[in-house]
Amino acid sequence: AQKITQTQPGMFVQEKEAVTLDCTYDTSDPSYGLFWYKQPSSGEMIFLIYQGSYDQQNATEGRYSLNFQKARKSANLVISASQLGDSAMYFCAISPTNTNAGKSTFGDGTTLTVKP
Amino acid sequence: DAGVTQSPTHLIKTRGQQVTLRCSPKSGHDTVSWYQQALGQGPQFIFQYYEEEERQRGNFPDRFSGHQFPNYSSELNVNALLLGDSALYLCASSLVGHSDTGELFFGEGSRLTVL
Repeated sequence: AQKITQTQPGMFVQEKEAVTLDCTYDTSDPSYGLFWYKQPSSGEMIFLIYQGSYDQQNATEGRYSLNFQKARKSANLVISASQLGDSAMYFCAISPTNTNAGKSTFGDGTTLTVKP
Repeated sequence: DAGVTQSPTHLIKTRGQQVTLRCSPKSGHDTVSWYQQALGQGPQFIFQYYEEEERQRGNFPDRFSGHQFPNYSSELNVNALLLGDSALYLCASSLVGHSDTGELFFGEGSRLTVL
């Protein structure tokens, strides 16, 4: 079984500053994929960034980067230069493989509020 | 490029009734997964359909069933509704084995309220 833990129910950040959202995971699968999604109030989950368990380098996608520490089983999301539109729920997820995220396990999310 | 579309967006049912939710995947995608998201929680995997068959299933009772059609669209059926079935039901599509990351593309969900 796989598990995701997000220990920060809510986070605040000043506009234009960077913020780190924490995610730890547990899995017995030798290969897995880690994902971050953003969920605005509209309800739609939006894919942000992906990290494969065998990837040597941390993933980056624009203002998003994933701080992957395999030995510590953590996959923290870093958002640089926060914008007001970044205010949303953020979910960390894990899937058994990197080519089929269908059966993903999600954490309970972190609510991020960006202050002007 | 059409994204994932779900219908209806909101619906209210009473205990014991049955409900059908519908999903059209993103253009070019062949796999549909369904998730249940209770208020204040993360989505929970219900099941996944590929090539018109249920391929994987989460820890949900048989009251939850589904179907995938030849055009890849899908339905989620829930029988004998319970109050605890009240949630946002999310449909996600993907292209299994053809993506470097296999990420999911979600619709905006169907919010079900059971009274």
